[in-house]
Amino acid sequence: DSGVTQTPKHLITATGQRVTLRCSPRSGDLSVYWYQQSLDQGLQFLIQYYNGEERAKGNILERFSAQQFPDLHSELNLSSLELGDSALYFCASSADRAGEKLFFGSGTQLSVL
Amino acid sequence: QKEVEQDPGPLSVPEGAIVSLNCTYSNSAFQYFMWYRQYSRKGPELLMYTYSSGNKEDGRFTAQVDKSSKYISLFIRDSQPSDSATYLCASSYDSWGKFQFGAGTQVVVTP
Repeated sequence: DSGVTQTPKHLITATGQRVTLRCSPRSGDLSVYWYQQSLDQGLQFLIQYYNGEERAKGNILERFSAQQFPDLHSELNLSSLELGDSALYFCASSADRAGEKLFFGSGTQLSVL
Repeated sequence: QKEVEQDPGPLSVPEGAIVSLNCTYSNSAFQYFMWYRQYSRKGPELLMYTYSSGNKEDGRFTAQVDKSSKYISLFIRDSQPSDSATYLCASSYDSWGKFQFGAGTQVVVTP
């Protein structure tokens, strides 16, 4: 167990809908990262937050947004969902700003039908 | 073209053999290098990390980084069926952990 908690584990929804994925980092970790994993694209970095502030942005679509709350948990919001958004979404956390050691949660499997 | 390239495999080896995994990267500014193991439908688990060039050993695992050739390697000695998983390499150039992952190599260790 990595100590990173993601909910829900599975999510099935329809195109055009909006969903929210939740992540609780390891105790004491200030950085939260979101990654998307699909068969054709592999593991893609979406966005990183450090102590409530956005620190780095990757291949995140404009339909997606995230935030980190004062208690350090983070949410990833996906809107106007398309079939191609179906993927495993991972949250990872790190203790230090260098992010040398990422600890991943078990992921949320999103299926858009 | 992805910044980190990795052969997706599958790579099949008999139990007890040495597993050799490789990645290449294109960004010469990359300083941090990691290997993750991922079991099916689970989150990636950190195995090894190195900073800059050199070797690092941890039990049956050895990680090597050759920055001159932009080559990252992971060796698993005395492989076990429990080592069957997908192995992902990752690299980053800055301190903010925007890591670029390879596609992952599926390894199958047969008893």
